[in-house]
Amino acid sequence: SSDLTQDPAVSVALGQTVRITCQGDSLRNFYTSWYQQKPGQAPLLVIYGQNNRPSGIPDRFSGSASGNTASLTITGAQAEDEADYYCNSRDTSGIHLVVFGTGTKVTVL
Amino acid sequence: EVQVMESGGGLVKPGGSLRLSCAASGFTFYTYTMNWVRQAPGKGLEWVSSISSTSNYIYYADSVKGRFTISRDNAKNSLFLHMNSLRAEDTAVYYCASSRYYDSSDNFDYWGQGTLVTVSS
Repeated sequence: SSDLTQDPAVSVALGQTVRITCQGDSLRNFYTSWYQQKPGQAPLLVIYGQNNRPSGIPDRFSGSASGNTASLTITGAQAEDEADYYCNSRDTSGIHLVVFGTGTKVTVL
Repeated sequence: EVQVMESGGGLVKPGGSLRLSCAASGFTFYTYTMNWVRQAPGKGLEWVSSISSTSNYIYYADSVKGRFTISRDNAKNSLFLHMNSLRAEDTAVYYCASSRYYDSSDNFDYWGQGTLVTVSS
């Protein structure tokens, strides 16, 4: 079982803002990274660290953290943002082990 | 251009073995930690194993410890996963992914397209 909990699914109207959360004790000591995965594709890193975007990731994606919760916000969601999103961090049972969140399906209406 | 390509997946019987390979190019492979991450059909991502840039540090998820062995060949920009005593629950797409620890987070930046492993009699 995952140490990082995410809401299974959220929906957002086209052009509106959606926030996806990731909860876990390890987030008190580590930042998370966020990954977008579309059907049939490999995951894509969209946010890492405190709030960094890899080259080519639109600035409508942003990250934040407070306590044991990390958030990914999509401001002005586009149809192409419809995907599964995963967070990741270190495992509380072993600091060198990595764990991914349970995943959130984002639907753009 | 970064390229990461896995191979070696297929159908194997329970208790059997399989060796996955990953060929990387377009980035400084020898400076990155490399990982295997898997995804069972219709399920989420599960980290399987990681190996540091010089193979000094190797870690496994509890679910595969003692059965899987990760290794790398920096001269050939290659990563491997030897899988023994395979179980039905090991059925998944296996991704090869590079990672760097930066800004207090593990950042999996380059991923392959995955190779499917099916464990079934």
